[in-house]
Amino acid sequence: KNEVEQSPQNLTAQEGEFITINCSYSVGISALHWLQQHPGGGIVSLFMLSSGKKKHGRLIATINIQEKHSSLHITASHPRDSAVYICAVRPEQGDDKIIFGKGTRLHILP
Amino acid sequence: IAGITQAPTSQILAAGRRMTLRCTQDMRHNAMYWYRQDLGLGLRLIHYSNTAGTTGKGEVPDGYSVSRANTDDFPLTLASAVPSQTSVYFCASSAAPGRIYTFGSGTRLTVV
Repeated sequence: KNEVEQSPQNLTAQEGEFITINCSYSVGISALHWLQQHPGGGIVSLFMLSSGKKKHGRLIATINIQEKHSSLHITASHPRDSAVYICAVRPEQGDDKIIFGKGTRLHILP
Repeated sequence: IAGITQAPTSQILAAGRRMTLRCTQDMRHNAMYWYRQDLGLGLRLIHYSNTAGTTGKGEVPDGYSVSRANTDDFPLTLASAVPSQTSVYFCASSAAPGRIYTFGSGTRLTVV
């Protein structure tokens, strides 16, 4: 079983829709990251959070430590939001190496 | 350059050849990482370095080696390339292990 599971794997939505991408993990963590990768492009860190909620523009990330679950929301989605969104966790135990999910491919139709 | 520079951006390499992928950062980050990204498998850690002078093995280290002679540079070497090493390679850095990552733009390597 993967230690970091994302759902859905693929998501297609219309412009303007509210988007939710989920991340569940099986280990105790000290931090969780959300990353964005555009087609053919590099990878950008969006958020790092260890509790509660963070907001940046139209992006909102939440985390529930007790339930080992995080969500990434996009409000008023736009075609430029089309990308792969990757969840990653830093386990509490071990050697500080981050574990990545396999990503959610989001496609926003105009 | 303000960030991470990877070189080359892409390369086609004959099997059996030696190849070094370069990674340089100018943020004075302590930790650096090499990942490979393959369809359906996500990002997998090859090697990492928590500080200059130290390195460690990640999830898929076989066939690869790294060195960290100074803070800025973290080259990845394939001693004798094989087709299964065809992938996109990303270098990343963070101020400290587990902190927010900055990624390079990637190197697309094809071994034929």
